[in-house]
Amino acid sequence: AAGVIQSPRHLIKEKRETATLKCYPIPRHDTVYWYQQGPGQDPQFLISFYEKMQSDKGSIPDRFSAQQFSDYHSELNMSSLELGDSALYFCASSSSEAGGPSNEQFFGPGTRLTVL
Amino acid sequence: GENVEQHPSTLSVQEGDSAVIKCTYSDSASNYFPWYKQELGKRPQLIIDIRSNVGEKKDQRIAVTLNKTAKHFSLHITETQPEDSAVYFCAASINPTGGFKTIFGAGTRLFVKA
Repeated sequence: AAGVIQSPRHLIKEKRETATLKCYPIPRHDTVYWYQQGPGQDPQFLISFYEKMQSDKGSIPDRFSAQQFSDYHSELNMSSLELGDSALYFCASSSSEAGGPSNEQFFGPGTRLTVL
Repeated sequence: GENVEQHPSTLSVQEGDSAVIKCTYSDSASNYFPWYKQELGKRPQLIIDIRSNVGEKKDQRIAVTLNKTAKHFSLHITETQPEDSAVYFCAASINPTGGFKTIFGAGTRLFVKA
């Protein structure tokens, strides 16, 4: 079965650079979530999109922005990178169809961002 | 906002013993409670979930209980095996307008000793 795809899998950037992370949800999933997970930490919710509209916002810094496109893929744009942005970034997707809401989130493999 | 507390942070058991992880949540509107298993450097994998209209759910060696009144839920793993060693996260999810908001607990690192 198709899973959530994230690219790139690894990314190394310098401080103050920008980075773009991409997420391709499972086909027919209409909701995308972004999480940031630091070493030894739980996944911190950043932002989510439902039907291409932002549905909720968590602890996403103002330096970050995201959007969901017409094909439901999503991109997380990160500017003025800081050392503390080094983390695993997970994208997850879920579907609200099949007769009712479905909260189950399927996680992608993550993008490991290292800021030097 | 929603807050999820998880205990213990570390749990060490002997192979074959049971393991119990407990979580509490603050937002009574939460209606979906998944549990994820995460191995080092890998993605969180859903292992079991429970909805607010159910008090208990079991899947082979794994069971989850939910007490809505007390706002707590627990994961029970019986007959633990070394491959159960991982970090386990509980989460509580609510459904605002469109999409769902999920807040994770801090995680429990489970060690199963052979």
